[in-house]
Amino acid sequence: GAVVSQHPSWVICKSGTSVKIECRSLDFQATTMFWYRQFPKQSLMLMATSNEGSKATYEQGVEKDKFLINHASLTLSTLTVTSAHPEDSSFYICSAPGPTATGELFFGEGSRLTVL
Amino acid sequence: DAKTTQPPSMDCAEGRAANLPCNHSTISGNEYVYWYRQIHSQGPQYIIHGLKNNETNEMASLIITEDRKSSTLILPHATLRDTAVYYCIVSGNNRKLIWGLGTSLAVNP
Repeated sequence: GAVVSQHPSWVICKSGTSVKIECRSLDFQATTMFWYRQFPKQSLMLMATSNEGSKATYEQGVEKDKFLINHASLTLSTLTVTSAHPEDSSFYICSAPGPTATGELFFGEGSRLTVL
Repeated sequence: DAKTTQPPSMDCAEGRAANLPCNHSTISGNEYVYWYRQIHSQGPQYIIHGLKNNETNEMASLIITEDRKSSTLILPHATLRDTAVYYCIVSGNNRKLIWGLGTSLAVNP
């Protein structure tokens, strides 16, 4: 099956700094990618939809200036958490759809962010 | 998208079949039933999906009732590595899936 890879798998940063998380589709092209956030013992919450060559679409309540998304190529989307604060500490996951509109989503391994 | 209801937790003995139920009484005609699972601290993994007919793949079987208001995911021979949170999601496409809390399945030796 298709593979989606995230990097880094975990990161610790100081409050006020910015952190970039990469999501790559390794063996297929993804014009769309999805970014989720998951707090402990909670479910996945969709943050935004990343679109290759155009602006991302953010879900209600997600600050687009804080969570910068760039989808510059058909195999790479990045999420930058700007001016991170401890409340941004979470598990960030990306996914990309397969070739069919009703088929499976392929997920990255997730990136655990801890802001001190 | 229609809402789903799953038991919060289940136990299963290793080697036995694990049957995970899901209620989706408000499902509409063009919505699929998707099953994913998430092992602790990993990204979710696709298991199976279906529309009306029962489906089977190398991981599991999906049984959908005739009225499509409920379904059951069957892991035929559960192993310890199947311990995970299992999510049942109903959606018309694979784009904006709404994730509930799922069923935490514990496979015991």
